[in-house]
Amino acid sequence: GENVEQHPSTLSVQEGDSAVIKCTYSDSASNYFPWYKQELGKRPQLIIDIRSNVGEKKDQRIAVTLNKTAKHFSLHITETQPEDSAVYFCAASIPGGGADGLTFGKGTHLIIQP
Amino acid sequence: DTAVSQTPKYLVTQMGNDKSIKCEQNLGHDTMYWYKQDSKKFLKIMFSYNNKELIINETVPNRFSPKSPDKAHLNLHINSLELGDSAVYFCASNARVTGELFFGEGSRLTVL
Repeated sequence: GENVEQHPSTLSVQEGDSAVIKCTYSDSASNYFPWYKQELGKRPQLIIDIRSNVGEKKDQRIAVTLNKTAKHFSLHITETQPEDSAVYFCAASIPGGGADGLTFGKGTHLIIQP
Repeated sequence: DTAVSQTPKYLVTQMGNDKSIKCEQNLGHDTMYWYKQDSKKFLKIMFSYNNKELIINETVPNRFSPKSPDKAHLNLHINSLELGDSAVYFCASNARVTGELFFGEGSRLTVL
């Protein structure tokens, strides 16, 4: 099955600086890579995603890059704000089975220092 | 309008008991899931149901059994609860066209 590794487990940055979270996946057949944000005590929510036919996608302060050859993808957050503090999960689609279930990374706790 | 709703939100029970968590989605999605999030925040898929058929069953003990009366509902039954079952359980449904997972609010299960 798919295996997703995510680093770092904790990331502390100064407000206004950029944050980068990296993930690798094992199955070259995976074709969908979303990122979820989970605030304390709340449900995970999709913030951005990318498909394997695209190398980069941007939405305001958030961008995701994908390197299919190396099987890694990254989340970039620029001009970080206090409300960006949360746990971020990368994920990759589970190939086959028809259910499109996601395998999640272990999460990155992003802390924005004022 | 709550897209994916699950009940109860909190559940405290003794070891050995049997409990259920209910989940409903009003998004018209064909596939529903149960995920377990442990104390370290790891999100692990437990089950997937597509049109009332079990698609994925990860290495989950058979004390856990999903029940889907129709495609809008996926309930989770847990028998003979153990301490290690304590976690937050998230129900989710899948938007097939976009691939996005919509999560419920989570049910925090504490086994004493």
